[in-house]
Amino acid sequence: DAGVIQSPRHEVTEMGQEVTLRCKPISGHDYLFWYRQTMMRGLELLIYFNNNVPIDDSGMPEDRFSAKMPNASFSTLKIQPSEPRDSAVYFCASSSNSPGYEQYFGPGTRLTVT
Amino acid sequence: RKEVEQDPGPFNVPEGATVAFNCTYSNSASQSFFWYRQDCRKEPKLLMSVYSSGNEDGRFTAQLNRASQYISLLIRDSKLSDSATYLCVVNSPAGSTLGRLYFGRGTQLTVWP
Repeated sequence: DAGVIQSPRHEVTEMGQEVTLRCKPISGHDYLFWYRQTMMRGLELLIYFNNNVPIDDSGMPEDRFSAKMPNASFSTLKIQPSEPRDSAVYFCASSSNSPGYEQYFGPGTRLTVT
Repeated sequence: RKEVEQDPGPFNVPEGATVAFNCTYSNSASQSFFWYRQDCRKEPKLLMSVYSSGNEDGRFTAQLNRASQYISLLIRDSKLSDSATYLCVVNSPAGSTLGRLYFGRGTQLTVWP
C-alpha cells in the first residue's frame, strides 16, 4: 500500500517567493496533519483536517501560511511570502479513528529559504 | 505544562545493553499511547502502541502506568540499528481535538560498537 506522499522532497527558494507543499494522504484516512520540525522547536503541529474540514489551525505561525484540503486525497500548505525563518522540514501525516488514531507520516519536504 | 514530557538524553550505550526511556503525560483522560522512532533526516515512524497491560514486541517492551501518568519503553540487547530518536506520543481525549496526537521532544539514543 502507498504511504503518505509529499512533494517536492526538497525546495530551495528566495525570500519573498511563494512556496506550495503538497500531500496525498493514505487512502481511507479521514484525518490529515501538517507539521513543521526544526532543531530548536522540535515537531510542531501547524493545522489538521478531519473529512477535509480544518479543525485546528492555531499552530499556523501567521497569515503568511495557509492550508487547503479540496478533497480527501489532496492537501496543500502554502507560504506567501516566504522568509528565511520558515526553513524547516514540513511533514504531512494522516490517520483514521481505527484502531487508535495512529498517524503515518510522509517523507517530508525540506524547505530552505535564502 | 506540556502535554508530554521526556528526558531528551542523549543516551549513549554499548551494543547489547538494556536501556529504558520514560515519559509523563498531563491529561489523565488520554486513551491512546504510542512510541515513535525517528532516524536522522527521516520522518517519525510508529514503533509500537502502548496498552494498559503492557506489551512486548521482540526486544522492545512498553509499559503504561495510568495512575502516575507515566509511559516507558525498554530496549533489550541494543543493536547499532536502534540508534535514533524515540518519541513518546499521547492522543487527545474525546472532544474538539479528537484525533490529535501530542508528541514529546524525543529521547536521543546512540548505540556504539
